Amino acid sequence: GQQVMQIPQYQHVQEGEDFTTYCNSSTTLSNIQWYKQRPGGHPVFLIQLVKSGEVKKQKRLTFQFGEAKKNSSLHITATQTTDVGTYFCAGLNTNAGKSTFGDGTTLTVKP
Amino acid sequence: DTEVTQTPKHLVMGMTNKKSLKCEQHMGHRAMYWYKQKAKKPPELMFVYSYEKLSINESVPSRFSPECPNSSLLNLHLHALQPEDSALYLCASSQAGYTEAFFGQGTRLTVV
Repeated sequence: GQQVMQIPQYQHVQEGEDFTTYCNSSTTLSNIQWYKQRPGGHPVFLIQLVKSGEVKKQKRLTFQFGEAKKNSSLHITATQTTDVGTYFCAGLNTNAGKSTFGDGTTLTVKP
Repeated sequence: DTEVTQTPKHLVMGMTNKKSLKCEQHMGHRAMYWYKQKAKKPPELMFVYSYEKLSINESVPSRFSPECPNSSLLNLHLHALQPEDSALYLCASSQAGYTEAFFGQGTRLTVV
């Protein structure tokens, strides 16, 4: 079945450092979504990427979708303590008819 | 209103109990989902309703029974659960299948 792998599992950074999480799918994706879940909270939608090679920016966050539509990344520039949480990708495979979450990357930021 | 409301927020139930989780959205979304999330794990899809019809059941045990009474409501009926079913149960909705999903705050379920 479809597998979506996400690395790293954990990332500890000093405030102001950059952070990147990577998502890789075993199958070609129709779209990929990114969510953030704060400790004790629920997933909150960040963005959806649909096109091959797509790059989207939201303030300090940059999202990329690979040319083959099998991988994606989320990059945060100059992390802040408010960036703490677990970042999940979720890849949609229309052949399978469902979206699969990656295992998530948990970011901690030291002030 | 961009909220998905889940009740109750916490639930403790015995293995012989019957209980229900409720989820409500008023965004006009036509797809609704139930997810199960264990600690330090990603949400795991259980059921998908599309236009009030069950479209995906991810081989969930029959002790979990979903129901979609109308386009705004989604229930999850629980019966004879096991301690390993203890988890955060998340409801979500989206405009259509697998577009931007709005998650509720979840029901933290403990089975004793």
